[in-house]
Amino acid sequence: DQQVKQNSPSLSVQEGRISILNCDYTNSMFDYFLWYKKYPAEGPTFLISISSIKDKNEDGRFTVFLNKSAKHLSLHIVPSQPGDSAVYFCAAARGAQKLVFGQGTRLTINP
Amino acid sequence: NAGVMQNPRHLVRRRGQEARLRCSPMKGHSHVYWYRQLPEEGLKFMVYLQKENIIDESGMPKERFSAEFPKEGPSILRIQQVVRGDSAAYFCASSPLLNTGELFFGEGSRLTVL
Repeated sequence: DQQVKQNSPSLSVQEGRISILNCDYTNSMFDYFLWYKKYPAEGPTFLISISSIKDKNEDGRFTVFLNKSAKHLSLHIVPSQPGDSAVYFCAAARGAQKLVFGQGTRLTINP
Repeated sequence: NAGVMQNPRHLVRRRGQEARLRCSPMKGHSHVYWYRQLPEEGLKFMVYLQKENIIDESGMPKERFSAEFPKEGPSILRIQQVVRGDSAAYFCASSPLLNTGELFFGEGSRLTVL
């Protein structure tokens, strides 16, 4: 029962261009969504979040969009930098409870 | 550094042995979560604890796995009679009492079962 899905295992983007990572969810009760970034041999680190009452949240180069009707969220990184190369996980929660994670997308930024 | 501390970072066990993973949450955090990441997979929720209480253990395997978060000391994830399929990275995360949804993760404990 995969409630949060990231259908692209990997994504390769040229430095300076926009990276778009996608995530779909099935549980309409989720009301809080987050993106985490993970480097090899490290724990996930929080990147950006959005609550279900919003459809967009921006923090510097990172913007998260939420489309509740489509049960879809996306993370935009612009401009992409080599240090952005990592695995990105989207996660969803209902209230202040456990996070449900997607499978992750490995982003590679090419110089 | 007041981050989430996990130890050991790496643990090797033979089949049938016990594995104990420890997690000290961030200072001021009273909620602890354990997640497991199998190779090439995402993070799977295992258990959510507060001090002396298990709040949600819906992700814990029914046998061999247990978790605790005592009044004093770190949270412990215990795996008895380990099997090769238990080989994974185990991540602990913590959050404050008034949880905004964001979890703060440790660097993980990598268990290898020979």
